[in-house]
Amino acid sequence: DAGVIQSPRHEVTEMGQEVTLRCKPISGHDYLFWYRQTMMRGLELLIYFNNNVPIDDSGMPEDRFSAKMPNASFSTLKIQPSEPRDSAVYFCASSWTSGRDEQYFGPGTRLTVT
Amino acid sequence: QKEVEQNSGPLSVPEGAIASLNCTYSDRGSQSFFWYRQYSGKSPELIMFIYSNGDKEDGRFTAQLNKASQYVSLLIRDSQPSDSATYLCAVRPLTGTASKLTFGTGTRLQVTL
Repeated sequence: DAGVIQSPRHEVTEMGQEVTLRCKPISGHDYLFWYRQTMMRGLELLIYFNNNVPIDDSGMPEDRFSAKMPNASFSTLKIQPSEPRDSAVYFCASSWTSGRDEQYFGPGTRLTVT
Repeated sequence: QKEVEQNSGPLSVPEGAIASLNCTYSDRGSQSFFWYRQYSGKSPELIMFIYSNGDKEDGRFTAQLNKASQYVSLLIRDSQPSDSATYLCAVRPLTGTASKLTFGTGTRLQVTL
């Protein structure tokens, strides 16, 4: 079984550029989560979806961040314009409605904004 | 007060010893509790979950939950150098929507030879 797939694995961009991160959840999972991890703040939930619908985006830091889930097998997290403080590892995770809440993480995208 | 608190460490234990990792949480109604292991440069991977008070054992790992005291712990017996990693505690609060987890900042474990 393929796990959560994320692309790209590494992204280096200049301040002001648009960045798009991609995620494919585990087949059959109906929850998808976007996290950001930094040394200072740890693992922070940005937004999550249930059945492709955004449920809670209270963790999205500001309007520069947006996320979509056009279908059950694909989601994007976009940052426009990017800033150096956005540098972090971005993880996508998925889970299913089983009552057990176990989340499975993708390999992450390491974003560096110069 | 943070929702989920962990000592950042590092916690250093000799090979073969028991490592004890602790986590406290603020929401008394929390339902589900998880331990994730994260190696440097890798993604978190689930190693244990527990829902009921008491102990749950899986191989060298034991998760302990005490809802009255609002803490959950992870014991690693016969610690190995390969156990050196950051351990994240995650909690599903009673408040909020299903499946949303709150993570602690993690405890870094170092197992020395």
